[in-house]
Amino acid sequence: DTGVSQNPRHKITKRGQNVTFRCDPISEHNRLYWYRQTLGQGPEFLTYFQNEAQLEKSRLLSDRFSAERPKGSFSTLEIQRTEQGDSAMYLCASSLGGAGNEKLFFGSGTQLSVL
Amino acid sequence: AQSVTQLGSHVSVSEGALVLLRCNYSSSVPPYLFWYVQYPNQGLQLLLKYTTGATLVKGINGFEAEFKKSETSFHLTKPSAHMSDAAEYFCAVSDSGTASKLTFGTGTRLQVTL
Repeated sequence: DTGVSQNPRHKITKRGQNVTFRCDPISEHNRLYWYRQTLGQGPEFLTYFQNEAQLEKSRLLSDRFSAERPKGSFSTLEIQRTEQGDSAMYLCASSLGGAGNEKLFFGSGTQLSVL
Repeated sequence: AQSVTQLGSHVSVSEGALVLLRCNYSSSVPPYLFWYVQYPNQGLQLLLKYTTGATLVKGINGFEAEFKKSETSFHLTKPSAHMSDAAEYFCAVSDSGTASKLTFGTGTRLQVTL
């Protein structure tokens, strides 16, 4: 497999601007996850998709955050009106889902810096 | 709610010495337990997992972990550390219902010295 791909690798933006990140999962994987990781912390779950359906959203995901996975392939995560507290590494992961397929494959992440 | 506690944010061992990274979990349902490793500028990689069955699980790169229900622990060990093991290690827990939604610990940075 070619792995999980995330773009861009780095994003610097000014407070109040909107940003969008893209994740391309491993092609046969039907589950896609977004996590957020801040310095010195472990990744925190944000949301996940089974195919194109968004099945769960964390309370961490405020109304300014929206994620989509049209056609069950790539996914986008948009943050509107960014705040300095949004600065973090945004991680995408994918998996086959189902019993015996609990392993998540992570991308290298998008590092967001909000100035 | 589930949670994971990793004791020791930094662990330093000599090359060839035993590696022991501690993880305790809290879960109201039978847990699935994982160790992931993160090398600099790389994505997290699965080292090993426990779902059901044998409580001693072996993973990649010579690592293993033992699920101890009575101690709510899932410590990671390796008999002999190698310089290439230097990385950040994360313990994670999920429940069997949503097996891939993980709750991670805060991580332990492993340093290996000559």
